[in-house]
Amino acid sequence: AQKVTQAQTEISVVEKEDVTLDCVYETRDTTYYLFWYKQPPSGELVFLIRRNSFDEQNEISGRYSWNFQKSTSSFNFTITASQVVDSAVYFCALSEADWDTGFQKLVFGTGTRLLVSP
Amino acid sequence: DGGITQSPKYLFRKEGQNVTLSCEQNLNHDAMYWYRQDPGQGLRLIYYSQIVNDFQKGDIAEGYSVSREKKESFPLTVTSAQKNPTAFYLCASSIRAINNEQFFGPGTRLTVL
Repeated sequence: AQKVTQAQTEISVVEKEDVTLDCVYETRDTTYYLFWYKQPPSGELVFLIRRNSFDEQNEISGRYSWNFQKSTSSFNFTITASQVVDSAVYFCALSEADWDTGFQKLVFGTGTRLLVSP
Repeated sequence: DGGITQSPKYLFRKEGQNVTLSCEQNLNHDAMYWYRQDPGQGLRLIYYSQIVNDFQKGDIAEGYSVSREKKESFPLTVTSAQKNPTAFYLCASSIRAINNEQFFGPGTRLTVL
């Protein structure tokens, strides 16, 4: 079965530091999607990025960047010049195909709590 | 504004009672989902629905029930058969059920007294 591992339970940084959140996944599918979500203290999950397995190009969006490496089954997330508002729990997720129903569900990691102090 | 609404935000229930959590979306999405989140854990899928009048069990469906009579609505009932119902419940929707990003509601925190 598919699996997503976020080994870092909690990370604490000081504002303006760069921080990388690790995500390692396992899948037997050749086509799959990877996602990152942010969960602020309010509880609602906010979508950050979706990446398909055929696109290994790194992506940058403002202070956020993602490094997808198929060879190591990793999809790491870096925040540059962190800010207090970045404090949240971040989840990595992998799409998993149910070949009986054709449905693809998301398998979530356990999340990394990021604390950014002023 | 388009989005997903869940009500109530906090819910308290006595042991042995059924309770229904509301989820409404006005994004015109076909697929809807219910997840459960426990402290320190990721999200686990309870039920999902790909289209109206159809729904399927997820990984932890025991003790829960759903209905999908309208495209916009996907209520979740937590029954007395659910052994440990205290948790944070999140509803989500996506355009279709395949490979699309899911958009989440604000969640309902259920506490069983």
